[in-house]
Amino acid sequence: DGGITQSPKYLFRKEGQNVTLSCEQNLNHDAMYWYRQDPGQGLRLIYYSQIVNDFQKGDIAEGYSVSREKKESFPLTVTSAQKNPTAFYLCASSPGVAAGTQYFGPGTRLTVL
Amino acid sequence: KQEVTQIPAALSVPEGENLVLNCSFTDSAIYNLQWFRQDPGKGLTSLLLIQSSQREQTSGRLNASLDKSSGRSTLYIAASQPGDSATYLCAVVDGNQFYFGTGTSLTVIP
Repeated sequence: DGGITQSPKYLFRKEGQNVTLSCEQNLNHDAMYWYRQDPGQGLRLIYYSQIVNDFQKGDIAEGYSVSREKKESFPLTVTSAQKNPTAFYLCASSPGVAAGTQYFGPGTRLTVL
Repeated sequence: KQEVTQIPAALSVPEGENLVLNCSFTDSAIYNLQWFRQDPGKGLTSLLLIQSSQREQTSGRLNASLDKSSGRSTLYIAASQPGDSATYLCAVVDGNQFYFGTGTSLTVIP
């Protein structure tokens, strides 16, 4: 089946640890995105990538890092520099940034213990 | 910077009612506007996409309209059902980014 997968579904982290969230798509989309969602708030853009080996910061990139070595993969690392990382993280893809619908993965809920 | 607002934040209606959800945005220079549905703890599912040159889109019981000049969109849901209960979010594409509203939480009471 075509779509976007995120893993793990739930992730627990101790303070001071880096963690990496996986996002994979088989839709052959050029653009991929990472969002953070907090209770009562809309989605906030962390990073996006329009093509392989290129990515741009979104509104809240501090404390996060990404890579785009393959078209189908866009992993997000939450570093220890992120002061309040507990949130629901959503990955999405689209044919192009200004083209067509965004397709979302099921999300990863990260909790810092 | 684009700001997207959705009113109301929450809505509760009896089954069978028609209802309207509102979305407003501050900059009319958008590529398109999308409506999404989100169930608790899940990702977003696209419902309707309206290109900037279009005025409305329909899918089944859903109809979305777009008025770029006034910076507004509405999502009309006809004959609501309990299965429609979810959070509905609108998003506009402006430049290289999608900007999302905070959503309207809809509860349809059987």
